[in-house]
Amino acid sequence: GENVEQHPSTLSVQEGDSAVIKCTYSDSASNYFPWYKQELGKRPQLIIDIRSNVGEKKDQRIAVTLNKTAKHFSLHITETQPEDSAVYFCAASNGEYGNKLVFGAGTILRVKS
Amino acid sequence: SQTIHQWPATLVQPVGSPLSLECTVEGTSNPNLYWYRQAAGRGLQLLFYSVGIGQISSEVPQNLSASRPQDRQFILSSKKLLLSDSGFYLCAWSVTPGTEAFFGQGTRLTVV
Repeated sequence: GENVEQHPSTLSVQEGDSAVIKCTYSDSASNYFPWYKQELGKRPQLIIDIRSNVGEKKDQRIAVTLNKTAKHFSLHITETQPEDSAVYFCAASNGEYGNKLVFGAGTILRVKS
Repeated sequence: SQTIHQWPATLVQPVGSPLSLECTVEGTSNPNLYWYRQAAGRGLQLLFYSVGIGQISSEVPQNLSASRPQDRQFILSSKKLLLSDSGFYLCAWSVTPGTEAFFGQGTRLTVV
């Protein structure tokens, strides 16, 4: 089955700097790659996603890139702000198996002001 | 609009007691449903997922079970809780394969 690995497990950046979180997946049939943000004690919420027919997607300060050949995808946050501090999860899904969304272990992002 | 309800929000149970967590979705039909567990400081572990009534796939062998008695109802159960069952349990749903999964508020279970 699908296995998703996420790095780093913790990341500290200075306010205004960029943050990059990387994930690799094992199932070449996976075709949907969302990123979730989870604030302390709250539910995960989708912040951006990308499908296998696209190499890059941007939404304001957030971007995601996908390399299907290498089976890895990354989250880029520019001009980080204190409110970006949270746990970020990547995930991969193969629709043929009923959208079994498999998550990475998460990255704790701390933005220092 | 679609909403997902999960309860209770917090639960403290003794070792060996049974468990029943309920999740319901409103505003959609035939959703894909999921149960995830998040141990303290850890990632989201997929426990069960369901693509239809009575159809349950188990991802991790354990003393938990899941049932889907109705289209929009997903129940997580245990006959006898273990200390290691403590964690944050999240129910989620999605409309179709390859789309966003929406999470419930979660249940923080502490087994004592």
